[in-house]
Amino acid sequence: GIQVEQSPPDLILQEGANSTLRCNFSDSVNNLQWFHQNPWGQLINLFYIPSGTKQNGRLSATTVATERYSLLYISSSQTTDSGVYFCAVHTNAGKSTFGDGTTLTVKP
Amino acid sequence: DTEVTQTPKHLVMGMTNKKSLKCEQHMGHRAMYWYKQKAKKPPELMFVYSYEKLSINESVPSRFSPECPNSSLLNLHLHALQPEDSALYLCASSQGGVAYGYTFGSGTRLTVV
Repeated sequence: GIQVEQSPPDLILQEGANSTLRCNFSDSVNNLQWFHQNPWGQLINLFYIPSGTKQNGRLSATTVATERYSLLYISSSQTTDSGVYFCAVHTNAGKSTFGDGTTLTVKP
Repeated sequence: DTEVTQTPKHLVMGMTNKKSLKCEQHMGHRAMYWYKQKAKKPPELMFVYSYEKLSINESVPSRFSPECPNSSLLNLHLHALQPEDSALYLCASSQGGVAYGYTFGSGTRLTVV
């Protein structure tokens, strides 16, 4: 099956810093999503981004489908950005595969 | 309404109990999903319903039994579970398949004692 690798696995930032999270995938995909899982377990959709670049406030994402990777940028990080960030890819077979996630801790 | 609602939020059950998890969405989505997530791990797909029919079962043990009574509702019936089945159970829906993004519920945190 398709492999999804996220890096780095853990990231500690000081409030106000910027960061880039990466998601590599091993095969062609129909869709890619970035999620933020808060400490209570809620998975919040950040971006649905099969290709191209999208921005939403301090967050932006870029997917280069031909090179099989996606990047999530977080600017001016806040303590509320802490949590686990997952990349999930969806294929024609009707299945989705999640990466192992990046655990982000933003310190005040 | 852009939410997926899951009940209950927490559930503690014994190994001989029968319980059910419920998931509801009113976004007109035609695909619904059950995921299982263990601590510090990513969600793992269990079942997919497409247009109210079971389309994917990821070799889940029969002690988990999904049901889709209508296009808005998805249940997961639990019977004779084991302590290792303790996890966060997440429901998701999407507009019509993998070409569309998923919306997740807030999950049911299940503890089997």
